[in-house]
Amino acid sequence: GIQVEQSPPDLILQEGANSTLRCNFSDSVNNLQWFHQNPWGQLINLFYIPSGTKQNGRLSATTVATERYSLLYISSSQTTDSGVYFCAVVQGAQKLVFGQGTRLTINP
Amino acid sequence: EAGVTQFPSHSVIEKGQTVTLRCDPISGHDNLYWYRRVMGKEIKFLLHFVKESKQDESGMPNNRFLAERTGGTYSTLKVQPAELEDSGVYFCASKVSGGVQFFGPGTRLTVL
Repeated sequence: GIQVEQSPPDLILQEGANSTLRCNFSDSVNNLQWFHQNPWGQLINLFYIPSGTKQNGRLSATTVATERYSLLYISSSQTTDSGVYFCAVVQGAQKLVFGQGTRLTINP
Repeated sequence: EAGVTQFPSHSVIEKGQTVTLRCDPISGHDNLYWYRRVMGKEIKFLLHFVKESKQDESGMPNNRFLAERTGGTYSTLKVQPAELEDSGVYFCASKVSGGVQFFGPGTRLTVL
């Protein structure tokens, strides 16, 4: 099956810094989503982005489908951005295949 | 519009006991999914319902897990008997056909 790898596994930053999270996938996909799992365990949809670039406030994402990767950018990080960020893809069948996540810690 | 809801939010049971998790999808969402995250690993697919029918149950780990979606509305996931390795967070998601999956808050299951 398709493999999804996220990097880095852990990222610790000071408040106000910018960050880039990467998601590589091993085959072509129909769909790619980014999620934020907050400290309460909830999975929050960030982006649905099978290709191209989208922006939502301080967050933006770019997927280059032909090169099989996606990037999530967080600018001017805040402590509330802390948590685990997951990338997930859909290939053919409708189930999501998740990466192992990037744990982001923003220190005040 | 209410989101996906799950009950209970947290369950602590002894090994060998039975636990039933419930998911209420977003109204009108025919597609319902169960996923779980165990021991800090990646989130893995368990199964997919379209209305009341199981579309894909390839991720169900073994026959101790039973999922139902009678009437095509809410779904239950029963674990019987529970084992230590079943501990983790169980997520439910729903979507309309062609749409994006929206996740519930999860049920944290602890098997002692």
